[in-house]
Parts: sequence; structure tokens; C-alpha cells
Amino acid sequence: GGIITQTPKFLIGQEGQKLTLKCQQNFNHDTMYWYRQDSGKGLRLIYYSITENDLQKGDLSEGYDASREKKSSFSLTVTSAQKNEMAVFLCASSMGGDSDYTFGSGTRLLVI
Amino acid sequence: GQQVQQSPTSLVLQEGENAELQCNFSTSLNSMQWFYQRPGGSLISVFYNPSGTKQSGRLTSTTVIKERRSSLHISSSQITDSGTYLCAMEHPGGYKVVFGSGTRLLVSP
Repeated sequence: GGIITQTPKFLIGQEGQKLTLKCQQNFNHDTMYWYRQDSGKGLRLIYYSITENDLQKGDLSEGYDASREKKSSFSLTVTSAQKNEMAVFLCASSMGGDSDYTFGSGTRLLVI
Repeated sequence: GQQVQQSPTSLVLQEGENAELQCNFSTSLNSMQWFYQRPGGSLISVFYNPSGTKQSGRLTSTTVIKERRSSLHISSSQITDSGTYLCAMEHPGGYKVVFGSGTRLLVSP
């Protein structure tokens, strides 16, 4: 079976720092997603990509950049980390269209 | 307003009791999916259920797309069922998925 791997698992950054989160999948899925999960809230879509080199903004794209240089990988950059920010960033992949999603185990971010 | 409404927000059960979780959507949707998340854990797909009823062990999901709702029924709950259950809908046209805020389930002995 396939796997979707997120690195790092934990990330502590400083205010104003640029931070990059990585996601790799070997399902050969076309579409990949980045979501942010805050305590007590659902997941909010930051960016998604339907194929290599494609980028689509989600509802929460401000303050983030993303890159899909290969079909198997999708990275997310926090352009300027906000102090006291604490959230989990979840990467997911799917075949696209009407198909189910598989999630990575998440990157937990803390900004001090 | 919120496109995906989940209820209840939280639920406390005694082991052996049944649980019924609801998800209502304010817009039309292509499909929906139920996820389970243990505290601090990743999201695990429970059901991908575009329509109809699906069962897996003690879990049953029923989706009625025309009525924009889905339910997740857990029978004979166990302590290990504790966690957060999230539903997500896929917009027509695909790709954009919206999540509910989840139902936090606690099953006690």
C-alpha cells in the first residue's frame, strides 16, 4: 500500500521566520492538498494542486506559498510566522474529482 | 455561514451505548467522507460515502445527497471509539472539500 509522509512532525519557529513544510506521497495521486487544523475547528483549505506545477488557492491562502514541483511532492511555506501561532498542518492526496482522500500524520507548528 | 454543520459538537457515552452523528450541508455536493481522528493523531478515512448506506463492523454511514445530509451511527460504543469524527463534503466540480468542525466523542467505562 501507499503512504503519505509529512516532514517535520514538529516545527518550532520564531516570529517572522519563513518556515517550510513538506509532503510526499507514493500513491501516484494527481491531487494534493494542504489544510490547517486549529483546536476546536474543522480543517481549512490553504492550497491545493491538481497536477504537477499546478497551484490553486484555498480559503486560507494569505500568508502562505506552496510548490508542486513533482507529482509526488507538495510543499507549503509559511511566509512570516505569527507569534503564539499553534496549529496542525495536514497534507492530503486523492485521485481528484470524486475520490476519497488520504491524509498524512500532520506537522504541528508552534511559533514563539 | 458554515457550509458543513456537524452535530452534536461533543458527545459523552457509556461503553455499550449507541451514537448517532449528523452532518448537514448548506450547498449541493458531489460526495462526502467521514474521518476519524484520535487526539494528536492523523485523519483516518472511515467512510467515503457519496450516497446510500455503507456498513463496516459497528459503524454505519447513510448519505442522502438530495437532502444534503449524512449520518454516522456507532453501535455498542467502545472506549477506543473516543476521538473526533469529522465529515467533509466535496463541491460539485470536484477538488474543493469543506470540513465540518467535528464531533468529539468520549466513551467512558
